Amino acid sequence: GAVVSQHPSRVICKSGTSVKIECRSLDFQATTMFWYRQFPKQSLMLMATSNEGSKATYEQGVEKDKFLINHASLTLSTLTVTSAHPEDSSFYICSARGLSGGPQETQYFGPGTRLLVL
Amino acid sequence: AQKVTQAQTEISVVEKEDVTLDCVYETRDTTYYLFWYKQPPSGELVFLIRRNSFDEQNEISGRYSWNFQKSTSSFNFTITASQVVDSAVYFCALSDPETSGSRLTFGEGTQLTVNP
Repeated sequence: GAVVSQHPSRVICKSGTSVKIECRSLDFQATTMFWYRQFPKQSLMLMATSNEGSKATYEQGVEKDKFLINHASLTLSTLTVTSAHPEDSSFYICSARGLSGGPQETQYFGPGTRLLVL
Repeated sequence: AQKVTQAQTEISVVEKEDVTLDCVYETRDTTYYLFWYKQPPSGELVFLIRRNSFDEQNEISGRYSWNFQKSTSSFNFTITASQVVDSAVYFCALSDPETSGSRLTFGEGTQLTVNP
């Protein structure tokens, strides 16, 4: 149980294009999903917290107009990197937390998406 | 402020050796949760264990064991008889709801390499 999928696993795009990444909880309902970014040999950096049916909460320094998050259902959240530039190249990982949504719940992580912007 | 410190950046051992990964945390909350995750080269974070602040019992799961010491704010992870497949980055994380809401605070990770 507690499986989270991400699609695509890898994407290469041209500078200026937009890229959408999907995060799905496959066998549980997630009221809260999280989006992280990870640079090589570094820890995870939380970008935003996404609650189903409401606006995402972005961390300081993360541009909400550049990283659009939609959490339309209890099993799906999407992250759209708009007008991507080479500096947006990174490993993006989502996580999902169970239905109770409380902080005591475990976050289960997706396999990540490697984005390369040329 | 909440903080998780994994002082060991990299550890290299030979197969079958025991290895302990250290984790020290800081929080003002009285109720908090500690986690360990494994990140193999494929990138996915694999959940290993969750501990709440009121449960100081040590836990063993196969070759894995965890030592939670509130007195020293530590939550160390030991792998017994390590195997090559244990090679990965291991992250310790803290959830302290009063201070950080729903966020997880991650340590910087420890890269474990198990050589044959």
